[in-house]
Amino acid sequence: DAKTTQPPSMDCAEGRAANLPCNHSTISGNEYVYWYRQIHSQGPQYIIHGLKNNETNEMASLIITEDRKSSTLILPHATLRDTAVYYCIVSATYSGGGADGLTFGKGTHLIIQP
Amino acid sequence: EPEVTQTPSHQVTQMGQEVILRCVPISNHLYFYWYRQILGQKVEFLVSFYNNEISEKSEIFDDQFSVERPDGSNFTLKIRSTKLEDSAMYFCASWYQETQYFGPGTRLLVL
Repeated sequence: DAKTTQPPSMDCAEGRAANLPCNHSTISGNEYVYWYRQIHSQGPQYIIHGLKNNETNEMASLIITEDRKSSTLILPHATLRDTAVYYCIVSATYSGGGADGLTFGKGTHLIIQP
Repeated sequence: EPEVTQTPSHQVTQMGQEVILRCVPISNHLYFYWYRQILGQKVEFLVSFYNNEISEKSEIFDDQFSVERPDGSNFTLKIRSTKLEDSAMYFCASWYQETQYFGPGTRLLVL
């Protein structure tokens, strides 16, 4: 079973910041927090990941609480094309490279309203 | 930007037939994965593959499934005798620098 809890759905107005929460209270010290999204039945698209520190890339920002028990994905200026199911996943990587298969939950269906 | 590619995009087959789904992972990636998503359900991990052998597999990955890397580029998933419940989207992924990158998927329909 997924080790994360996300709200099933959220709405956000176009142009506003979308803040997607995720709880992962049982996260282990070596597990990363990953965010993916899936538009319709397309392949999951990688967004961002982090271990302890906040991260930012061209798509989004990831804010991880100090105790690492929860995180927030921020899409700074949401567009209609950001409507998708967003998955928060915790996963460890092997010390020599590679990782276990990812465990997907049901995610958050984010709907961007015009 | 390099991408994981999958062929075919759609496949229709009769129950009991064998199907082979193909994936070309991103060059220089070392770990490869197959996932499936039954319509309306969660994405489920099937198997991971490294150094020409299975690294990890889920309960779903039973004897009717097999994986192979027949050459230096392709990564295949074979379903020996398809069942109606094998109808799903099948996604390939490859891993590099802490991240798995997914292909666009193959939609398999078993009649």
